[in-house]
Amino acid sequence: GAGVSQTPSNKVTEKGKYVELRCDPISGHTALYWYRQSLGQGPEFLIYFQGTGAADDSGLPNDRFFAVRPEGSVSTLKIQRTERGDSAVYLCASSLTSAGEETQYFGPGTRLLVL
Amino acid sequence: DAKTTQPPSMDCAEGRAANLPCNHSTISGNEYVYWYRQIHSQGPQYIIHGLKNNETNEMASLIITEDRKSSTLILPHATLRDTAVYYCIVRVALGDYKLSFGAGTTVTVRA
Repeated sequence: GAGVSQTPSNKVTEKGKYVELRCDPISGHTALYWYRQSLGQGPEFLIYFQGTGAADDSGLPNDRFFAVRPEGSVSTLKIQRTERGDSAVYLCASSLTSAGEETQYFGPGTRLLVL
Repeated sequence: DAKTTQPPSMDCAEGRAANLPCNHSTISGNEYVYWYRQIHSQGPQYIIHGLKNNETNEMASLIITEDRKSSTLILPHATLRDTAVYYCIVRVALGDYKLSFGAGTTVTVRA
C-alpha cells in the first residue's frame, strides 16, 4: 500500500520567506509526527498530532514554526520568516495510533534549503 | 537526550552477519528497545523492537541481554543495500510517542 508521502521533496527559499511543507500519512493512521534532521545528526521531534489536535508541540524551536492537521489526515508544517538555520530535512511519520508499541512509518522527507 | 550509546561506525563484509551493539544501561522496566535504519536520502525505516525477549523478523534479529542493559541487532546476511545509519532507541511503550534518535551507527557493507 501507499506509504507516507511528503511534498515538495526539495524546497529552496530565501531568508525571510514563508514556506509550507505537506505530509500525507498512511490512510487510517490517526497519529502524525514531524521531525527535523540536520546534516549528520539523527532526527529530532518537533510536533505530534492525535487526530486533528496537536497533542505535543514541545519540539517546535520557536513561534515561527506552526503545524496544522485540520481534517485529521494531511498535515502542513509552516515556517515563517525563514532563517538559514532552518535548513534541514523535515520528516513526517504516521502510526495507526500513538498507543502501545505502534510503529512509526516515515516519509522520504522534504529537504529545505534557506539561502 | 538519547538514552543509548552506539559505536559511530562499523564495516561489514557482504554475505556475512553484521552485529550492531547498543548500550542502554539506564533502561527502565517498561521501556522497549527499537531499531530503525536510515538509508542515504531516505526516511528512517523500522527494523525491529523488543522488551526483554529476543525477537526475530524477516529483516533482523534482536538479542537483549538478561539485565537489559545492552542489546545487539543482527543482520544475518548483510548485503550492499544494508549500508545505512542504524539507530537504537529506547522508548516507553505507553505515553511516549516520541522517538529520540541519537547519532546512530554508520554501517558500511563492503563487497
